[in-house]
Amino acid sequence: GENVEQHPSTLSVQEGDSAVIKCTYSDSASNYFPWYKQELGKRPQLIIDIRSNVGEKKDQRIAVTLNKTAKHFSLHITETQPEDSAVYFCAASTRTGANNLFFGTGTRLTVIP
Amino acid sequence: DVKVTQSSRYLVKRTGEKVFLECVQDMDHENMFWYRQDPGLGLRLIYFSYDVKMKEKGDIPEGYSVSREKKERFSLILESASTNQTSMYLCASSFRLYGYTFGSGTRLTVV
Repeated sequence: GENVEQHPSTLSVQEGDSAVIKCTYSDSASNYFPWYKQELGKRPQLIIDIRSNVGEKKDQRIAVTLNKTAKHFSLHITETQPEDSAVYFCAASTRTGANNLFFGTGTRLTVIP
Repeated sequence: DVKVTQSSRYLVKRTGEKVFLECVQDMDHENMFWYRQDPGLGLRLIYFSYDVKMKEKGDIPEGYSVSREKKERFSLILESASTNQTSMYLCASSFRLYGYTFGSGTRLTVV
């Protein structure tokens, strides 16, 4: 099955700096790569996603890049703010019937004011 | 806005008890999932269902079973709860190739 690795496990940045979280996946058939943000005590929420026919996608301060050849994708957050502090999960989906996602182990991002 | 509702936010059960965790979604999604979330291990798939009465094992199905008698409801059953099943349980639903919507989670403690 699919195996998703995520790094780093923890990340601290100064407010205003950029944060980058990286994920690799093993199954070349994976074609959908979402990112989830989970604030303390809350449910994971989808923040951005990318499909395999696109190399980069931006949404305001958040961007995701995908390199299918290398089988890795990254989340970039620019001009970080304290409210960006959360755990971020990457995921990949294979082309199985239920489209189940395989998650990375998460990155705890702390933005220091 | 899709809502995924988990019946309990916190549960405390005794070892050996049969435990039912309920999940209901209101947007006619075909796919429903149960994950457990543990520190350092991320989200691990227990079971998923892609249609009524259909179920598939995920990565860690041992000690669990599921039931999906109606499209909107997906139940996770711990046949005989053990302390190593103490965890946060998250239900999710999805429509085809779109991202998941998660429930708020149930924090289960088995004593």
